[in-house]
Amino acid sequence: DAGITQSPRHKVTETGTPVTLRCHQTENHRYMYWYRQDPGHGLRLIHYSYGVKDTDKGEVSDGYSVSRSKTEDFLLTLESATSSQTSVYFCAISESMTSGNTGELFFGEGSRLTVL
Amino acid sequence: QKEVEQDPGPLSVPEGAIVSLNCTYSNSAFQYFMWYRQYSRKGPELLMYTYSSGNKEDGRFTAQVDKSSKYISLFIRDSQPSDSATYLCAMSVHYGGSQGNLIFGKGTKLSVKP
Repeated sequence: DAGITQSPRHKVTETGTPVTLRCHQTENHRYMYWYRQDPGHGLRLIHYSYGVKDTDKGEVSDGYSVSRSKTEDFLLTLESATSSQTSVYFCAISESMTSGNTGELFFGEGSRLTVL
Repeated sequence: QKEVEQDPGPLSVPEGAIVSLNCTYSNSAFQYFMWYRQYSRKGPELLMYTYSSGNKEDGRFTAQVDKSSKYISLFIRDSQPSDSATYLCAMSVHYGGSQGNLIFGKGTKLSVKP
């Protein structure tokens, strides 16, 4: 298994509180991603990072911010959680697609967030 | 119209059946096509990867791409209860760099009954 650790794995919080999810990798992969997965919507990209301090928005970035201060860590922050952010959050990592590499995404186990 | 359409199922088949999972897409620029498998309460994992049109076989799994019809398929032969999972198609335009432009289907939930 790819060395990806997400924390916390489960969290219940109240509307309006800040929440930070952490993704830690031991693979030294360049790219890191945060997805959310919801019934009826599938996997949607929130933000991704292409290097330390280099990030870009995905399809559903509103209400989320990210930071990557070290190669191995990618943080997802909900500044003020809302019920619509109740979801399962997946971190993923990848290397560049090359002639010898498909650029496969390796996913973590997921963090289940409930906002009451 | 969504860029990638995938019937969410659920699909239930008896053990040993041939399973056909499909996705349609609207962006003719997609060139890279993938199938990810996701077991319950786990992260997805790459199952098959194909470039452009054609077939690719790996054991009991065959991935097929028909770019003229904008249609991709995953066939599972001699299905097993261990194949019970959600199957997500994914596709992208660009070569190289990140997967930041990878588009996923919603996934089809498959159950193989013993």
